[in-house]
Amino acid sequence: AQKITQTQPGMFVQEKEAVTLDCTYDTSDQSYGLFWYKQPSSGEMIFLIYQGSYDEQNATEGRYSLNFQKARKSANLVISASQLGDSAMYFCAMREGISSGSARQLTFGSGTQLTVLP
Amino acid sequence: DAGVIQSPRHEVTEMGQEVTLRCKPISGHDYLFWYRQTMMRGLELLIYFNNNVPIDDSGMPEDRFSAKMPNASFSTLKIQPSEPRDSAVYFCASSGGGRNNYGYTFGSGTRLTVV
Repeated sequence: AQKITQTQPGMFVQEKEAVTLDCTYDTSDQSYGLFWYKQPSSGEMIFLIYQGSYDEQNATEGRYSLNFQKARKSANLVISASQLGDSAMYFCAMREGISSGSARQLTFGSGTQLTVLP
Repeated sequence: DAGVIQSPRHEVTEMGQEVTLRCKPISGHDYLFWYRQTMMRGLELLIYFNNNVPIDDSGMPEDRFSAKMPNASFSTLKIQPSEPRDSAVYFCASSGGGRNNYGYTFGSGTRLTVV
């Protein structure tokens, strides 16, 4: 089974509007972390936001927020007031085994290509 | 801090040749990861190190691939012999230990083309 599922291969949004990128995950761990990365056409991987499984509040970083619904195992990224520069591929990722410290690698979803329209 | 530094940025080589990709992690980070990105398979973990020791190499596709970390500031990923299906973008990332769980920093990647 896929550990990270991103069901939207591509999304379009009008400039200045908000957009939600979906991410669901699968883990039996109680302690884990969820990440979102942005990959523009230039290719670099840019960290956007992090949510720990025990964090009580949804993470926010500027125009980015993470809609974390633990019971549904979803960690959707919300981008408010979209800008043309937000056009990029967006990846959701998970790190398991945080409490045991055993695993450190990130497992990535397949990504969502976001296009912001002027 | 200059971030994670990878070289070369682009590499074009002929099938059968040896290819060496290089990575310099962020100073003080004790974890180093090698990922490969392709259209078909997305981002896959190849191998990761902790304190220069390989911890999990289960993602290394076959014996043609090898990775080393001789010291805390340098790692290599070698493919010998290279094949066209190895064409991909190879990312190196590093992470610090401790409670900072969002300290993963990626390099700019090496785009490998095997012809």
